[in-house]
Amino acid sequence: GAGVSQSPSNKVTEKGKDVELRCDPISGHTALYWYRQSLGQGLEFLIYFQGNSAPDKSGLPSDRFSAERTGGSVSTLTIQRTQQEDSAVYLCASSSPTGLGANVLTFGAGSRLTVL
Amino acid sequence: KQEVTQIPAALSVPEGENLVLNCSFTDSAIYNLQWFRQDPGKGLTSLLLIQSSQREQTSGRLNASLDKSSGRSTLYIAASQPGDSATYLCAVRPSGFNKFYFGSGTKLNVKP
Repeated sequence: GAGVSQSPSNKVTEKGKDVELRCDPISGHTALYWYRQSLGQGLEFLIYFQGNSAPDKSGLPSDRFSAERTGGSVSTLTIQRTQQEDSAVYLCASSSPTGLGANVLTFGAGSRLTVL
Repeated sequence: KQEVTQIPAALSVPEGENLVLNCSFTDSAIYNLQWFRQDPGKGLTSLLLIQSSQREQTSGRLNASLDKSSGRSTLYIAASQPGDSATYLCAVRPSGFNKFYFGSGTKLNVKP
């Protein structure tokens, strides 16, 4: 696609429910990142995918968080048993290591999650 | 762990002024550094990317410089306009790592 697409744009859920956030990166971008931006906070790294390599999960805050990337394209971030502190904007970004604009991170508009 | 600091946290200037935003990082072994702008309620838009081997990059009224030895980057905005009002973030990718470390941003307000 022309840009990084994220859905849903807004999600309100009750504490304890599971949520799935989706990211569709730019076609051909092999690298995909998930970041979290809490109110008044900086961006917090969550997870990184690069092609078929094992993902870098070092930023996932707990085992309630997981992510997968199917076919090297679309990624889903899943949060199980959501807590109020999970409320944040979840941002996805993609990049390509080659070509014009190599290594430039392109971000989606984000998914705003509110846990009541 | 790489730490990225941006000063000032907020800046208000009249239209037409030239201004400098600062970004400092603790580990000079970086792969590249990117500057972004973020408008309220929106995602991040990449402005400039500087590779570790470069000293500066320019795009229109924007110029970003990089001094690895001192752990600093600056974003210079010439002839500021109200449309430049946004939060500006810098992000550092350390050498040998895939993740980017972000500063907390500088919120810029350009008054007409």
